[in-house]
Amino acid sequence: DSGVTQTPKHLITATGQRVTLRCSPRSGDLSVYWYQQSLDQGLQFLIQYYNGEERAKGNILERFSAQQFPDLHSELNLSSLELGDSALYFCASTEGSSYNEQFFGPGTRLTVL
Amino acid sequence: QQQVKQSPQSLIVQKGGIPIINCAYENTAFDYFPWYQQFPGKGPALLIAIRPDVSEKKEGRFTISFNKSAKQFSLHIMDSQPGDSATYFCAASIGSSGNTGKLIFGQGTTLQVKP
Repeated sequence: DSGVTQTPKHLITATGQRVTLRCSPRSGDLSVYWYQQSLDQGLQFLIQYYNGEERAKGNILERFSAQQFPDLHSELNLSSLELGDSALYFCASTEGSSYNEQFFGPGTRLTVL
Repeated sequence: QQQVKQSPQSLIVQKGGIPIINCAYENTAFDYFPWYQQFPGKGPALLIAIRPDVSEKKEGRFTISFNKSAKQFSLHIMDSQPGDSATYFCAASIGSSGNTGKLIFGQGTTLQVKP
């Protein structure tokens, strides 16, 4: 168990809908990273937050957004969902803003029908 | 320049064999190279990591070999066991102060260890 929690574990929704994925980092970790894992694209970095502030953006679509709250949990919002958004979404946390050792949560499997 | 190329895509070995997974990178600014192990339905778990100031690191049955001049690094699993059957990802990041530490992953290698 990495200490990182993610909810829900599974999410099934329809095209055009909006969903929110939640991540709670390890106790004491200030930085949260979101990654998407799909069969064709592999594991790709989406976005990073550090202590409530956005630090870096990767291949994140404009339909996607994220935030980190004062209690350090993070949410990834996916809107206007398309079939191609079906994937596993992982968050990872680290102690600092650029510390290397990232601990991954169990992921949320999103299925868009 | 941000890519990490991993090979082979899949690997089958007999129990006790030594599977080797290779990765190559272009960006010389990368300063941290971890390997993650992922079982079906689970998140990636950090296995072992290396920084470019050393050429080899061992942790238990897992060894990373690092060749800075060739911009390549590899994972060796000694005395492999059926329980090692999983997908392995190499990654690279720039973790020095001021950088984000975001991980750039290889494409993954599915390892099967036959009893």
